[in-house]
Amino acid sequence: GAGVSQSPSNKVTEKGKDVELRCDPISGHTALYWYRQSLGQGLEFLIYFQGNSAPDKSGLPSDRFSAERTGGSVSTLTIQRTQQEDSAVYLCASSSLETQYFGPGTRLLVL
Amino acid sequence: DQQVKQNSPSLSVQEGRISILNCDYTNSMFDYFLWYKKYPAEGPTFLISISSIKDKNEDGRFTVFLNKSAKHLSLHIVPSQPGDSAVYFCAASAGANFGNEKLTFGTGTRLTIIP
Repeated sequence: GAGVSQSPSNKVTEKGKDVELRCDPISGHTALYWYRQSLGQGLEFLIYFQGNSAPDKSGLPSDRFSAERTGGSVSTLTIQRTQQEDSAVYLCASSSLETQYFGPGTRLLVL
Repeated sequence: DQQVKQNSPSLSVQEGRISILNCDYTNSMFDYFLWYKKYPAEGPTFLISISSIKDKNEDGRFTVFLNKSAKHLSLHIVPSQPGDSAVYFCAASAGANFGNEKLTFGTGTRLTIIP
């Protein structure tokens, strides 16, 4: 079956511009997560959606970052006024039971 | 504050021998641990997990050992195969939903299997 998909696969933007990253989770998965991996680092938790509950935003690094999940399915991560330190691979995962399945990620480069 | 630590950034092992990857954690609230494998340009793939009520879990060539008192876990791969060459991430979670909670990851160990 189809796995988690993310788009775009790569994004180059200029400092100060806004970007939107999209995640399509596995159909039927109730939980959706965003992580990012900066160069030489492990994956860093950003935000977590579980069903209809309020999202856990405790990992968002600043108020320039926001995410929404429409209809309990597709999610969009928005970064406003991008900075060079936002450059990273942004990974989305979804789960239904005990295992998180990851998408291939969006590689973001802020110039 | 790195709560999950993988102190070896890289490891090389001869094909057919045992690969041992190590992970240490500091947060005593963690009660579920996972290993993920990552190839370049792909997302991490789940390998194996262990709950804190166990000290060992085995799945084919992969075995994870947990030492709660030492806050240490390890992944054993035997026999190692060339396709095992990848970056391995250790991850941990706290809460009632096991792997269905936000995960805290280590920085990864790059494993290279030498033919």
